[in-house]
Amino acid sequence: DQQVKQNSPSLSVQEGRISILNCDYTNSMFDYFLWYKKYPAEGPTFLISISSIKDKNEDGRFTVFLNKSAKHLSLHIVPSQPGDSAVYFCAASASTGNQFYFGTGTSLTVIP
Amino acid sequence: ETGVTQSPTHLIKTRGQQVTLRCSSQSGHNTVSWYQQALGQGPQFIFQYYREEENGRGNFPPRFSGLQFPNYSSELNVNALELDDSALYLCASSQPGWLANEQYFGPGTRLTVT
Repeated sequence: DQQVKQNSPSLSVQEGRISILNCDYTNSMFDYFLWYKKYPAEGPTFLISISSIKDKNEDGRFTVFLNKSAKHLSLHIVPSQPGDSAVYFCAASASTGNQFYFGTGTSLTVIP
Repeated sequence: ETGVTQSPTHLIKTRGQQVTLRCSSQSGHNTVSWYQQALGQGPQFIFQYYREEENGRGNFPPRFSGLQFPNYSSELNVNALELDDSALYLCASSQPGWLANEQYFGPGTRLTVT
């Protein structure tokens, strides 16, 4: 039962352009969402988060948008850089628990 | 300040055997969570330890068990290994009153069951 879904296994964009990574969830109890970035042979590293009281959170080149009615969030990276090439996971949790549910990941390749 | 470390990096076991994976948490962190990441999947929460007690568990059978030691390092034990247990096992440590963005992951242990 996959409660968090990333339907695009891979994405390629040109350097300097916008990268948009999407994530859908099914559990309406989820109220905290995160994006992690993972390089090969390393553990995931936290990138950006958003709580359900917001619909947008920005940190430098990274912006996360949350559409609660659609149960959808997206990560925008502008401008994309070759160093952004990695696997990106979205994750979600409910404030009533301590378990995080991860999506299957999207492999982003930024072409120089 | 040292980060989260895990050992071993790779391990090959035979079906039916038992395995122990180890995790040293980041300095000052007293909470450790374990995740299983199968090929092509996202990390799945196994369980969490806080002050040496299990503090939440995902949908994993009892043959997955853990320990946390007074220095907050942790072990994940898996008994009666099955082929489907082949995966990358990640641990993450965090401070008291943690938020997810304060979870620091180790590089993982790649377990292969043949």
